[in-house]
Amino acid sequence: KNEVEQSPQNLTAQEGEFITINCSYSVGISALHWLQQHPGGGIVSLFMLSSGKKKHGRLIATINIQEKHSSLHITASHPRDSAVYICAISGNQFYFGTGTSLTVIP
Amino acid sequence: KAGVTQTPRYLIKTRGQQVTLSCSPISGHRSVSWYQQTPGQGLQFLFEYFSETQRNKGNFPGRFSGRQFSNSRSEMNVSTLELGDSALYLCASSLLAEQETQYFGPGTRLLVL
Repeated sequence: KNEVEQSPQNLTAQEGEFITINCSYSVGISALHWLQQHPGGGIVSLFMLSSGKKKHGRLIATINIQEKHSSLHITASHPRDSAVYICAISGNQFYFGTGTSLTVIP
Repeated sequence: KAGVTQTPRYLIKTRGQQVTLSCSPISGHRSVSWYQQTPGQGLQFLFEYFSETQRNKGNFPGRFSGRQFSNSRSEMNVSTLELGDSALYLCASSLLAEQETQYFGPGTRLLVL
């Protein structure tokens, strides 16, 4: 049983395209996190959400608590956005999605 | 401010041995969490420490243990290593709680032969 489901698993986009990654979860949460992992392992926390919407540069994250769903949007994608994006939920412990591997082609 | 540091970065052990990994959080952060990442299982939560107390624990066997010191530095220990323990072990720190923004270290890559 997966507490966190992400889609798609893999995504290839042309530079400049608008990208959406989806995350659904099945348990109560305190917060939802979007993480970025580059090759080599380093993980960076992009957003932490408990409601509504957050924006940071070209990245936008939204969450719908009633529907237990979150989306990560990347506007005007760039090759440097190529990474694995991981959705995680926190409550008593962290549960992670399996990640979305994004490749942005110049 | 220096980021989260983990030592060692790479480690090779044999089955049956034990290993201790270290994590130094960002200065002022009091919560340290540990995670295991493998190609098959992805990221999994091990445990979280706050003010020297284990606050939350994931679903790992008792061979996995940890502790936190008064300066918030944390160690995790794996005893009686198994081949399946080969993984990237990440720690993350936050100011007060696991529910806050997590700042991740670079990880320790453990290979069990």
